[in-house]
Amino acid sequence: NAGVTQTPKFQVLKTGQSMTLQCAQDMNHEYMSWYRQDPGMGLRLIHYSVGAGITDQGEVPNGYNVSRSTTEDFPLRLLSAAPSQTSVYFCASSYRGSSGNTIYFGEGSWLTVV
Amino acid sequence: QQQVKQSPQSLIVQKGGISIINCAYENTAFDYFPWYQQFPGKGPALLIAIRPDVSEKKEGRFTISFNKSAKQFSLHIMDSQPGDSATYFCAASKFDNDMRFGAGTRLTVKP
Repeated sequence: NAGVTQTPKFQVLKTGQSMTLQCAQDMNHEYMSWYRQDPGMGLRLIHYSVGAGITDQGEVPNGYNVSRSTTEDFPLRLLSAAPSQTSVYFCASSYRGSSGNTIYFGEGSWLTVV
Repeated sequence: QQQVKQSPQSLIVQKGGISIINCAYENTAFDYFPWYQQFPGKGPALLIAIRPDVSEKKEGRFTISFNKSAKQFSLHIMDSQPGDSATYFCAASKFDNDMRFGAGTRLTVKP
């Protein structure tokens, strides 16, 4: 059972370039999300989706775009990369259990914008 | 504005000691409080979680203490081991999947 799979693991971009971080989950979770992790800032929510065809903005959505055409896939697009987007990005899927929301994270994508 | 404030930023504990990490939240609508553990190069993984209807939850060496009136909760790691060295995140959410994370605590357990 792969869980949440992210690609690529590492990427270097030049300012102004665009790219897509891929994310796939095989747990049939309706809810998927993207976070960025920066030192001293914890994990901040970029975008999320409550199901195929439905997306919404999180805390830090500017400069990013998402789509959800299937339950399994939730790609994150950087439209025009900026040095401020240098970060570690985590895709996650979750389900709402009786006690709360259990989030499963991917292993992360390290992005450097130069 | 961070909705969940976590302290300390880093913590060094001797093997066998008790590690304590504290978090405070502002939004009284939060009703689920998990802790995540993250090892270098990996994504965070759920460690333990609590709902506000209980004041304490214990799973092995890990205990969450919850103080609803003070809007605070903490993670206690008893008999800390070098394998516990990781970054720990507290978090809080309403029952709608919008999870807010603390800034993280880097724990080092010295042998």
